[in-house]
Amino acid sequence: KNEVEQSPQNLTAQEGEFITINCSYSVGISALHWLQQHPGGGIVSLFMLSSGKKKHGRLIATINIQEKHSSLHITASHPRDSAVYICASIAGAGSYQLTFGKGTKLSVIP
Amino acid sequence: DTGVSQNPRHKITKRGQNVTFRCDPISEHNRLYWYRQTLGQGPEFLTYFQNEAQLEKSRLLSDRFSAERPKGSFSTLEIQRTEQGDSAMYLCCTGAVVGYTFGSGTRLTVV
Repeated sequence: KNEVEQSPQNLTAQEGEFITINCSYSVGISALHWLQQHPGGGIVSLFMLSSGKKKHGRLIATINIQEKHSSLHITASHPRDSAVYICASIAGAGSYQLTFGKGTKLSVIP
Repeated sequence: DTGVSQNPRHKITKRGQNVTFRCDPISEHNRLYWYRQTLGQGPEFLTYFQNEAQLEKSRLLSDRFSAERPKGSFSTLEIQRTEQGDSAMYLCCTGAVVGYTFGSGTRLTVV
């Protein structure tokens, strides 16, 4: 059974700081998804990646398949980045269902 | 606008009542998933449709839960004889090769 672990669980940062959120998973996967969830529940897809690195604006996601580890980085953090960030692994076959971590709650203080 | 629409956004119901949620997916996405999220936890898989066929169900989906996706379009999730433990956010997600898209969820409160 695949388990997805995120760290830290909670993170408070000053505006402008560089932020890193980590995600580890226990079995081989086909891809990994980083998601953002704001209060109220809506989930927004940030990245889906199966190797290497992806960048979108101030967000960077990396994955190391051999080490079963992924990181989400936020450069020049801003209060509007405050949200819960969730990583989810994608099974390699079958239903391609997502297995989610518990999320990292990020608060960026002005 | 995420492209996946869920209704209602919020539902408060008395214990023992039946409730039904609806998900309208992105039309090109043939995979549709239901997840349940309780406070402080990541979403948990409930069930999966490939077009109109329900191909996988989690053991979390007790016999009080039923899901349908007639004609492979919208999907409904019904909970019969609701219990307080059913209180959660119910998320619909559709998938394609390019990725997954989530609805805004239906927050159920059973009182």
